[in-house]
Amino acid sequence: DAGVIQSPRHEVTEMGQEVTLRCKPISGHNSLFWYRQTMMRGLELLIYFNNNVPIDDSGMPEDRFSAKMPNASFSTLKIQPSEPRDSAVYFCASSELGGANTEAFFGQGTRLTVV
Amino acid sequence: AQKVTQAQTEISVVEKEDVTLDCVYETRDTTYYLFWYKQPPSGELVFLIRRNSFDEQNEISGRYSWNFQKSTSSFNFTITASQVVDSAVYFCALSGKGTGNQFYFGTGTSLTVIP
Repeated sequence: DAGVIQSPRHEVTEMGQEVTLRCKPISGHNSLFWYRQTMMRGLELLIYFNNNVPIDDSGMPEDRFSAKMPNASFSTLKIQPSEPRDSAVYFCASSELGGANTEAFFGQGTRLTVV
Repeated sequence: AQKVTQAQTEISVVEKEDVTLDCVYETRDTTYYLFWYKQPPSGELVFLIRRNSFDEQNEISGRYSWNFQKSTSSFNFTITASQVVDSAVYFCALSGKGTGNQFYFGTGTSLTVIP
């Protein structure tokens, strides 16, 4: 299996622009997670899907952030409008049965820079 | 409350020394899972190990070993005969029903192995 695939790997955008990050989870995995990593806050869970349904989005910073999972093989995280404080590495991860008893496998991340 | 504490922010050792990374957790769940991940300078998060709360056997994998002690709520990670390639940030994580099957990560320990 190719693992979790994220695109793009790097994104530089101007403040106010819309940004869309993409994720393809490992085939057969039922759970998908979006994390954000910054020096100040470490790894933060943004949202968690199970069987394509958002289970917990309490980590989404504000209304500018939205995430979708239209099918089992694709998810997007959108920021509109983007702000410099959104600059971070965004990770997508998937696991077979959800976090309780199976590990999560991470993509290589998208490094977002908002100028 | 679910919490993972990695008190060691940064550790430096000379190559071939042994090093132990500490992880202390808090959970109200009777069944829970603990994980270690490695984040090398390239940035990806690599799964190392998963431990169930009902299995306190220590585990060894090559130069890596893990000591799980429920009595002290600790899940420590030891690297024997460290190598330069071990230089990375190491994260401990917790999941369980109380976390909504999510993964809660510690703040990470940055390990530098000096040649």
